[in-house]
Amino acid sequence: DIQMTQSPSSLSASVGDRVTITCRASQSISSYLNWYQQKPGKAPKLLIYAASSLQSGVPSRFSGSGSGTDFTLTISSLQPEDFATYYCQQSYSTPDFGPGTKVDIK
Amino acid sequence: EVQLLESGGGLVQPGGSLRLSCAASGFTFSSYAMSWVRQAPGKGLEWVSAISGSGGSTYYADSVKGRFTISRDNSKNTLYLQMNSLRAEDTAVYYCAKDRKTYCGGDCYQFDYWGQGTLVTVSS
Repeated sequence: DIQMTQSPSSLSASVGDRVTITCRASQSISSYLNWYQQKPGKAPKLLIYAASSLQSGVPSRFSGSGSGTDFTLTISSLQPEDFATYYCQQSYSTPDFGPGTKVDIK
Repeated sequence: EVQLLESGGGLVQPGGSLRLSCAASGFTFSSYAMSWVRQAPGKGLEWVSAISGSGGSTYYADSVKGRFTISRDNSKNTLYLQMNSLRAEDTAVYYCAKDRKTYCGGDCYQFDYWGQGTLVTVSS
């Protein structure tokens, strides 16, 4: 298994803030990294695939970067609907998810 | 519109069995690999199993290998997960998830559509 870590585990932010979440893999996974958003009681939603490609229909305030072992999800201007938990997931081999980062209202 | 609808969850005793189904619509089912992903109450996401579009290749997490079997019926557009020898730690919401790419080859496991989930509770 590839171990995925995320930081921070939670953060408090205000509407309009720039938010950055970091994901690290225990070995190089090239660009095989995806990001999901999950709201309480709902299924996850794909935001970013292949480290930096924006999934169709996802607002452009979401962006992803990185390769190898270190990756970043950035929300350029946090909106009320963005308060959720965010997971990274490697697709270099059979999938492993990060533990999640909960973004809540400051 | 792509839709994935899971069913078959419920309460089962430790050591028991359960079969989950995921009815798919809105896309060419046989062209896409499918996975099951679970989430224990209050916890994160855990990939469980995957199957190729043809059904000829299957993959499992170590935690369920030998106990769970994934399968699909492309004539019925339905994905299955047969779960045997269930344990308390298998208690979770089980989601079926669709791969983003057709015939994804070496670039799989980008899950662009998910079902609403079905709850499996293993308890005596």
